[in-house]
Amino acid sequence: RKEVEQDPGPFNVPEGATVAFNCTYSNSASQSFFWYRQDCRKEPKLLMSVYSSGNEDGRFTAQLNRASQYISLLIRDSKLSDSATYLCVVNPSGNQFYFGTGTSLTVIP
Amino acid sequence: GAVVSQHPSWVICKSGTSVKIECRSLDFQATTMFWYRQFPKQSLMLMATSNEGSKATYEQGVEKDKFLINHASLTLSTLTVTSAHPEDSSFYICSASWDYEQYFGPGTRLTVT
Repeated sequence: RKEVEQDPGPFNVPEGATVAFNCTYSNSASQSFFWYRQDCRKEPKLLMSVYSSGNEDGRFTAQLNRASQYISLLIRDSKLSDSATYLCVVNPSGNQFYFGTGTSLTVIP
Repeated sequence: GAVVSQHPSWVICKSGTSVKIECRSLDFQATTMFWYRQFPKQSLMLMATSNEGSKATYEQGVEKDKFLINHASLTLSTLTVTSAHPEDSSFYICSASWDYEQYFGPGTRLTVT
């Protein structure tokens, strides 16, 4: 079983739509979780960390479900500029980081 | 946030030559850096974990004699692609962890002709 599994998509949604991505992880002892955004031909950039209590940053909401071992990212009121690949990252411990394969999102005018 | 730089950002070389890519943490010390490779429309693939002052740990399937990693200081790791071939053409990205988060360099696009 992979350390991190993510639906690659692609997700094509109209502007203004709400879209959610999920990512499951296999190591129940994992401590830190992140969502990264990667634009075409660019390096990944940290979008937000995922905290146990869930966290929100503007139109973006990240949640962690430890019981089911998944993290989610919700994007409300999608903008054209949200089009990118979204990567979930799990840090089980120390300097180990496991990446999902990324979910491709295209927001359509 | 922490800043990681990478040099060069773009390199074209002839088949059979070696290419060195530098990864620097600019405002923090990184005992561990990571090297990734990404082919078009594919996900990041971890190649190796670079540890300052010791040998790198390579992922399965990555040839350590072909991809030489040196992490000589707390702010610099280098990846040398030896005897590069066209199939080595890819986007190479380094990252460093700081405060339990990963920060990525801008990447190096390698084209081998």
